[in-house]
Amino acid sequence: EPEVTQTPSHQVTQMGQEVILRCVPISNHLYFYWYRQILGQKVEFLVSFYNNEISEKSEIFDDQFSVERPDGSNFTLKIRSTKLEDSAMYFCASKSTGMNYGYTFGSGTRLTVV
Amino acid sequence: RKEVEQDPGPFNVPEGATVAFNCTYSNSASQSFFWYRQDCRKEPKLLMSVYSSGNEDGRFTAQLNRASQYISLLIRDSKLSDSATYLCALEAAAGNKLTFGGGTRVLVKP
Repeated sequence: EPEVTQTPSHQVTQMGQEVILRCVPISNHLYFYWYRQILGQKVEFLVSFYNNEISEKSEIFDDQFSVERPDGSNFTLKIRSTKLEDSAMYFCASKSTGMNYGYTFGSGTRLTVV
Repeated sequence: RKEVEQDPGPFNVPEGATVAFNCTYSNSASQSFFWYRQDCRKEPKLLMSVYSSGNEDGRFTAQLNRASQYISLLIRDSKLSDSATYLCALEAAAGNKLTFGGGTRVLVKP
């Protein structure tokens, strides 16, 4: 079964440092997403990406965040200057076209900011 | 009213019993509905899409009530392995984004 791949599985970084989280979506999917989940809280939408541009972003996705699809396969989330409150699980997801098609999530990157 | 609301539980269920729980939503324009399962510190995994006429997948039955704006999930003959958090999710338009509820925790006990 096709899967979404995320690396690294766990990243520890110092406050103020830049991090890049990487994702390889399912190859024939057209929609890509980043979500985050702070421990004990709900899964929150960050950003959606379609046709090589951001289609929607949440209030969480401020100027510290950016996304890129640098080639045909990778999809990255960059946090420019990490804060303690950025500590969370970050999930990448992708989706094929059409209604009622579920989103497939990667196994996540656990980001710990110290 | 929260966009997507779920009873956090936990629902303590004897093995073999039936459990059911709902998820309410506020956006009447929502088009697609899903149930996801999430194990501790893992990614959400799609359990089933929810269709207008209701649908069943083995021991799992999902219903959609657009008039009252809720979806439901029923698990029959609960197994220990059904212990997880069940997330409802909805999509306002195809490819738009998924909005999740906070999840309902189910604990199946021997």
